Amino acid sequence: AQKITQTQPGMFVQEKEAVTLDCTYDTSDQSYGLFWYKQPSSGEMIFLIYQGSYDEQNATEGRYSLNFQKARKSANLVISASQLGDSAMYFCAMREPYNTDKLIFGTGTRLQVFP
Amino acid sequence: SQTIHQWPATLVQPVGSPLSLECTVEGTSNPNLYWYRQAAGRGLQLLFYSVGIGQISSEVPQNLSASRPQDRQFILSSKKLLLSDSGFYLCAWGHGTGAITDTQYFGPGTRLTVL
Repeated sequence: AQKITQTQPGMFVQEKEAVTLDCTYDTSDQSYGLFWYKQPSSGEMIFLIYQGSYDEQNATEGRYSLNFQKARKSANLVISASQLGDSAMYFCAMREPYNTDKLIFGTGTRLQVFP
Repeated sequence: SQTIHQWPATLVQPVGSPLSLECTVEGTSNPNLYWYRQAAGRGLQLLFYSVGIGQISSEVPQNLSASRPQDRQFILSSKKLLLSDSGFYLCAWGHGTGAITDTQYFGPGTRLTVL
């Protein structure tokens, strides 16, 4: 069965610095999608970025980029130029097309940005 | 553009009382709909999902139930709440295309406290 692992329960970063949040996954399928979501203290889950298993280039979306290493089965989120508003929980998730429409989530990483 | 609404935003209920949480989506047709629960400081647990009116798949056997009376309406119910039902309930929708790029988009959530 597929599985998502986020080994960092908490991370600290200084404002304007870059930070990498780790995500490893386990799947036997060749075609899959990886997602990152942000959950601020308000609770809403905000979609950040997507990476497909067949995408040759790493996904980027503004200050967010995904360091996708397929052979290592890792999909780390990189946030550049951190801002105070980036303080939140971050969840990595995976979807497989041959199973159902379900997303499987990791346990999350709490990021705190300090001035 | 699509929007997703949930209500109520917060709810405090006594043990043994009934529950009804509502989720509606605007701006799309025939979406997949999902109910998740998040315990304090934890990840997301998929409770139910629906690919069409009247079609409900249950992921976790418990005293909760879900219904989809209309295309863009998803309801989470319970006849008798338990203390363990406390948590943050998130509704989400997806296009349901079956593509690995199909992202799930979340509502603002309902915070339920059972006393």
